[in-house]
Amino acid sequence: EAGVAQSPRYKIIEKRQSVAFWCNPISGHATLYWYQQILGQGPKLLIQFQNNGVVDDSQLPKDRFSAERLKGVDSTLKIQPAKLEDSAVYLCASSPSGAYNEQFFGPGTRLTVL
Amino acid sequence: GQQLNQSPQSMFIQEGEDVSMNCTSSSIFNTWLWYKQDPGEGPVLLIALYKAGELTSNGRLTAQFGITRKDSFLNISASIPSDVGIYFCAGLTDSWGKFQFGAGTQVVVTP
Repeated sequence: EAGVAQSPRYKIIEKRQSVAFWCNPISGHATLYWYQQILGQGPKLLIQFQNNGVVDDSQLPKDRFSAERLKGVDSTLKIQPAKLEDSAVYLCASSPSGAYNEQFFGPGTRLTVL
Repeated sequence: GQQLNQSPQSMFIQEGEDVSMNCTSSSIFNTWLWYKQDPGEGPVLLIALYKAGELTSNGRLTAQFGITRKDSFLNISASIPSDVGIYFCAGLTDSWGKFQFGAGTQVVVTP
């Protein structure tokens, strides 16, 4: 069974530029999560989707971050414009509907903002 | 907001030694999870706990769900070099699967 796929793996941009990350969850997983992991910290949930609907985006900085999961499968997370403090690893995870303990994480995208 | 305090922050141990780490919170959780994260990878689930007082093992790993539901412990017995990594606890805060993660315990195993 293929795992959670993310791309790109690494991205370096300058502040005020835009960036987008892509995630393809495990086939059949209805729930998709985007986390931000700053160096030395645990993952922090940014947004959670159930199919193509948003369940929780209370910690998403909506003035600069946006995410979509239009067809209820893959998802994109965008930052526009980026700030220095956005440097982090962005992790995508997915789980079967209702089985929230079975969260499978992708390898993450490491973003560096200069 | 809710805070998960994970300790110790890091551990340097010799191969063969046992390792203990814990997570505490001011809030009650319904589920505790323990993950391991290797460099450049996403976290991988090790153990899930669902009931207060529950003790669960996975090979050399043993985790317990505290009776007060505000803490959890992870033990690694007879550590080996591949145990190196960062271990995270995570507590489930609501029925929609929103987990809160601790800051992690970095484990370094020396031969």
